[in-house]
Amino acid sequence: NAGVTQTPKFRILKIGQSMTLQCAQDMNHNYMYWYRQDPGMGLKLIYYSVGAGITDKGEVPNGYNVSRSTTEDFPLRLELAAPSQTSVYFCASSSGPEAGYTFGSGTRLTVV
Amino acid sequence: GENVEQHPSTLSVQEGDSAVIKCTYSDSASNYFPWYKQELGKRPQLIIDIRSNVGEKKDQRIAVTLNKTAKHFSLHITETQPEDSAVYFCAASRFVGSQGNLIFGKGTKLSVKP
Repeated sequence: NAGVTQTPKFRILKIGQSMTLQCAQDMNHNYMYWYRQDPGMGLKLIYYSVGAGITDKGEVPNGYNVSRSTTEDFPLRLELAAPSQTSVYFCASSSGPEAGYTFGSGTRLTVV
Repeated sequence: GENVEQHPSTLSVQEGDSAVIKCTYSDSASNYFPWYKQELGKRPQLIIDIRSNVGEKKDQRIAVTLNKTAKHFSLHITETQPEDSAVYFCAASRFVGSQGNLIFGKGTKLSVKP
């Protein structure tokens, strides 16, 4: 049982480049989330999804996009990367809004 | 919307002592309050959670208490050990319409000195 799998683990982007952070879960969870964690800070919600075909913005959605075509996958797209997007990105899933989250191992992104 | 305040931001204790981390929340509709432990360079992991119909929950050396009237909840770690050193995050559930997610506090860095 892999849980939540994120790829890549590390990435360096140049300003203006784009990339997709991949997230997949094998627990048949309907709820999936993307958080970013800046150094010494807490977790801020970027986007979340309550099921295939349904996504919604969190606290800090600007500069990001998501899609949820299947229950298993919830990719996060960065368009026109900016230095302010340098962060660690965590994907998580849960069986419901009031259930424990399972987090992926994170993607450390640096934009230079 | 929901706001979660967490204190202290850093906490240093001697091995064997107790540690207490406190959180307050703003939305009286919140019903679910988990705590996560994040070791350096690792992912956050759920260590304990509590729901609004329960005042206290205990799991070995860790316990969580909830005061819904005052809108605060606390994490208690007894007989601390060096491996308890980590950043701890509290969270509270938030609903917008029928959709919900967690709002996290900013974290407490706990250091347990041998």
